[in-house]
Amino acid sequence: AQSVAQPEDQVNVAEGNPLTVKCTYSVSGNPYLFWYVQYPNRGLQFLLKYITGDNLVKGSYGFEAEFNKSQTSFHLKKPSALVSDSALYFCAVRVSTLGRLYFGRGTQLTVWP
Amino acid sequence: DGGITQSPKYLFRKEGQNVTLSCEQNLNHDAMYWYRQDPGQGLRLIYYSQIVNDFQKGDIAEGYSVSREKKESFPLTVTSAQKNPTAFYLCASNPDGQGSSTDTQYFGPGTRLTVL
Repeated sequence: AQSVAQPEDQVNVAEGNPLTVKCTYSVSGNPYLFWYVQYPNRGLQFLLKYITGDNLVKGSYGFEAEFNKSQTSFHLKKPSALVSDSALYFCAVRVSTLGRLYFGRGTQLTVWP
Repeated sequence: DGGITQSPKYLFRKEGQNVTLSCEQNLNHDAMYWYRQDPGQGLRLIYYSQIVNDFQKGDIAEGYSVSREKKESFPLTVTSAQKNPTAFYLCASNPDGQGSSTDTQYFGPGTRLTVL
C-alpha cells in the first residue's frame, strides 16, 4: 500500500527564520512527489514536484524540497519564512500511470511576525 | 485554481436529500478526480475518471455517484446513503489520463457541503 506521512500537525516559525515541513513516504515502485499549499476555504495550489534528476527541487514562492531516497523523505524548505507563508501544506505521492495522488494529513504552518 | 470551476461554493442539505456538486474544467485534461477533505485527515479519493464515459471508485466511494459524459465535466452526487457528508469537496484534473505519472494535478476552489 502507498502512504505518505507528515509527522508534524503544526509547525511554528518566526518570520525571517528558515522553515522545514517534513514528509516521508512508503511506496512500491518509483515515487513521484508533490507539495501543495492550501489557504483557508480554497483549493490546493501546486508548489513543486520531484520526478527525476537533481534531488533538490525548486518551486514557487521561494520554496524548495529535497528528495532523499535512502530516507524516503521529501522535506519542504524555505530559507526565510514570511507571515504570508502561513497555510496548510500537503505532501503527495504518485506511483503509477493511474494518476491518482496519495496525500499526507497536512501540516499547518504558522509564521509569526 | 485557474481553469477548474466548482459550484456552488457553499451548499446546505437536509438529511435524506441528494445533492450534486458541479466541476467543470477548460484545460482539455483527460483525467478528473473528486476528493473529500476533513480536518486532520488530508484528502481522500472518492472517484476518478481517466477518460470520457469511464470512471472508477476511489477509497471512499460509498454513498457517492459520478458521471463523465463530457470531457470538461465531472459532477459528483452525494446521496442520502452517505452517512456523514459534511465536508469540503475538491475536484482536480490531470492532463493525461492514460499514461503520465509526472503530470501536475490541478485543483478547483472547492465546495463546502453542510448537512443540516
